[in-house]
Parts: sequence; structure tokens; C-alpha cells
Amino acid sequence: QKEVEQDPGPLSVPEGAIVSLNCTYSNSAFQYFMWYRQYSRKGPELLMYTYSSGNKEDGRFTAQVDKSSKYISLFIRDSQPSDSATYLCAIEAAGNKLTFGGGTRVLVKP
Amino acid sequence: GAVVSQHPSRVICKSGTSVKIECRSLDFQATTMFWYRQFPKQSLMLMATSNEGSKATYEQGVEKDKFLINHASLTLSTLTVTSAHPEDSSFYICSARDPQGGREQYFGPGTRLTVT
Repeated sequence: QKEVEQDPGPLSVPEGAIVSLNCTYSNSAFQYFMWYRQYSRKGPELLMYTYSSGNKEDGRFTAQVDKSSKYISLFIRDSQPSDSATYLCAIEAAGNKLTFGGGTRVLVKP
Repeated sequence: GAVVSQHPSRVICKSGTSVKIECRSLDFQATTMFWYRQFPKQSLMLMATSNEGSKATYEQGVEKDKFLINHASLTLSTLTVTSAHPEDSSFYICSARDPQGGREQYFGPGTRLTVT
């Protein structure tokens, strides 16, 4: 079993729809949770970072963490074609090391 | 957010030669940087943790004699792929954390290495 599981997609939605992404993890010692967006052939860009259970909102993005279920989510409201990218969840273990999910490819169709 | 740069953005080299990739933190000092490798349509895999002024820490299965890491200053880490082979062709990405900031890691734009 991988430490961080993420559905690879692709996830195709119409413009304006809500994009729902999620990851599950196995190590309860993980404390810090991040979502990155990666466009093709580019480095990942940090979108959201949280460390506690609950919701965190930033513009059109909402990150949700449920530590009891070891489940994290990212919601993108009012999706735009420019949101088409691969979204990676990342969870921090000891020593600042990040463990990444496999990434979900999202396609927002105009 | 903090800015991390990489150079070159892409490089093509012949099998058996060595290639150096630079990673710089532009607006902060990074005592720790990380090197990742990403194969097509796959996620990032941590190769090593680069510590300023000391030896890098390599992940299991990563050959330290093949992937030489030097973190000579608080803003620069280099990865040298020695005696490169076609199977080393990949996307190499570095990241750094601003110690004055939160726990976020900021990534460079990546370097695409092609070994012919």
C-alpha cells in the first residue's frame, strides 16, 4: 500500500463546475498537508497548505482535512479552463520530507 | 511566495558524460533543499535532501556516487548526474523551504534531462 493514494483521473468537468479532488494516507504521524498544481513540464506550484483538521479557504480553493479518516480534499469552485493541470497532494513526514500522491489530471472544458 | 530557480531548463547530453543542474533560492536563504525526479505521467519521487555545509542524505535506492549533490551556500545547491545513461533521462526538480516562513516547500521550474 502506498503511503499516499490519489486517483489519477483524468477528471473532466465543464467550465464553472466544482472540481473535487481527494487523497488518502496511511501514516497517522503525518501532520502537514499541501496541495500543488503542476502544469505540463513545469515545477509544482503551491496552492494550499494546512496542518489541522477542518477547512481552509483561499479564493476559489478550499482544502479539507479529516485526520480521523486520514482523508484530505481540495475543492475548486467556478472552475476555469486555466485550472486544467495535474493536482498533487503532498504530506509532510519527519525531516521536512514530502510524500506525494500520484497526482490527478484535471481537464476543464470551456 | 518564495522563488526558486533552476538552470538549465533543459539539457541533452551523450551517454557517459556528466551533467550539472543548479538550484537557487532567489529571495531567501535555504539551509535545506530537496531534489526530486519525475518520470512522465508519474509523481515526484524524492531523491535526496541537500543540507548546506554537510553531506546530502539520499533516499533508499538512489546511488549517491551517481547523483552528486553539493550545497555550497545558503542559496545554491547543485545536482551532478555522473556518467549519464539513457535511463537517467527524466525531469529533475528541486525545492526549498524558507526557514523564516512556514512549512511550505517552494519548487523550481524543473530541468528536463535527455541522455542520448
